[in-house]
Amino acid sequence: NAGVTQTPKFQVLKTGQSMTLQCAQDMNHEYMSWYRQDPGMGLRLIHYSVGAGITDQGEVPNGYNVSRSTTEDFPLRLLSAAPSQTSVYFCATQKGLAVLQETQYFGPGTRLLVL
Amino acid sequence: GENVEQHPSTLSVQEGDSAVIKCTYSDSASNYFPWYKQELGKGPQLIIDIRSNVGEKKDQRIAVTLNKTAKHFSLHITETQPEDSAVYFCAASMGGSYSSASKIIFGSGTRLSIRP
Repeated sequence: NAGVTQTPKFQVLKTGQSMTLQCAQDMNHEYMSWYRQDPGMGLRLIHYSVGAGITDQGEVPNGYNVSRSTTEDFPLRLLSAAPSQTSVYFCATQKGLAVLQETQYFGPGTRLLVL
Repeated sequence: GENVEQHPSTLSVQEGDSAVIKCTYSDSASNYFPWYKQELGKGPQLIIDIRSNVGEKKDQRIAVTLNKTAKHFSLHITETQPEDSAVYFCAASMGGSYSSASKIIFGSGTRLSIRP
């Protein structure tokens, strides 16, 4: 049981390049989400999904796309990277939305540097 | 929308002493308040949480208190140890529904250092 895995651990991009950050979970959790973490700003929600085929925007969705074709995977796509997207990205999962299912489990993070 | 403020941003305490981190929230509808610990190079990990129908919760050396009237909640760590050194985040959300899924808001974090 690996929990939540993220790849890559570290990536350097040039402005305008595209890439996909991968997130996978083996806990059969319905809810998955992506956060970015910037110094002094805590964690901000980018996109989330409450199940396969369902996604929605969080607090800071601009510049990012997501899809959820399976329960296990929730990739985050940067179509045209910008220096403002330099950050540490965390994927998180949650069993469901009912009370007592709200604990979030975070992956180890992907550190992204956009030059 | 919800806003969560966390203080202090950095905290240094002597090993064995207590540490207290405080958070305030703005939306009275928030009903779930988790605390996360983030060690260097790792993702945040839940250490304790409290719901709005409870005023205090304790787990060994860690306790959380909630004052719904004042809309603030605090993390208390007693008998601090070197392994308690980390960044701690509070959060607030209106749990339990689809519409609440996007409404978990995190504080800006507190870097706790334990001096030997």
